[in-house]
Amino acid sequence: AQTVTQSQPEMSVQEAETVTLSCTYDTSESDYYLFWYKQPPSRQMILVIRQEAYKQQNATENRFSVNFQKAAKSFSLKISDSQLGDAAMYFCAYTGTASKLTFGTGTRLQVTL
Amino acid sequence: DTEVTQTPKHLVMGMTNKKSLKCEQHMGHRAMYWYKQKAKKPPELMFVYSYEKLSINESVPSRFSPECPNSSLLNLHLHALQPEDSALYLCASSQVSGRGYNEQFFGPGTRLTVL
Repeated sequence: AQTVTQSQPEMSVQEAETVTLSCTYDTSESDYYLFWYKQPPSRQMILVIRQEAYKQQNATENRFSVNFQKAAKSFSLKISDSQLGDAAMYFCAYTGTASKLTFGTGTRLQVTL
Repeated sequence: DTEVTQTPKHLVMGMTNKKSLKCEQHMGHRAMYWYKQKAKKPPELMFVYSYEKLSINESVPSRFSPECPNSSLLNLHLHALQPEDSALYLCASSQVSGRGYNEQFFGPGTRLTVL
């Protein structure tokens, strides 16, 4: 079975600074997707970024980028130029050949002035 | 339309009530999902429908009964719930491809309180 681990329950970053959220996963599959979802207090789960395992290039979406290390099974999210609206719970998630998303336990990100 | 809608936003029900949650998407997705989410926890998968057929039931109690009337609609019928069933219920949808399932798009959720 696949597992996803987020070892940082909470993180804090100052506005305009950069923060990195960590995620590791375990799988025996070679073809899979990884995602970062954001869930603000308004509770809507929003897809931030996705990475396909067979693509070596790290995904980037505006201020959000990932560091995907397939051999190390690591998938960290970097948020640059942090904004107050980035404050939320961030979930790392995995999906492979099964029709399931496996979520990590989440990292709550606070953004301070 | 890249949106998943859910109604109602909030629901309060007694343990003897029967109620239904509704989810709708118009993205042409053929997989739809129900999740249960407790506070400060990740969503837990309950059911998966693929091409309107139930493909996964994560050993959910029978007091939760899913229904997929067509490719755009997903319902969750609730009966004789317990207070511990109080949670945020999330619906999601995704494409189904030859390589499995792609990213899921989530609705805003229904906040359920069982008294």
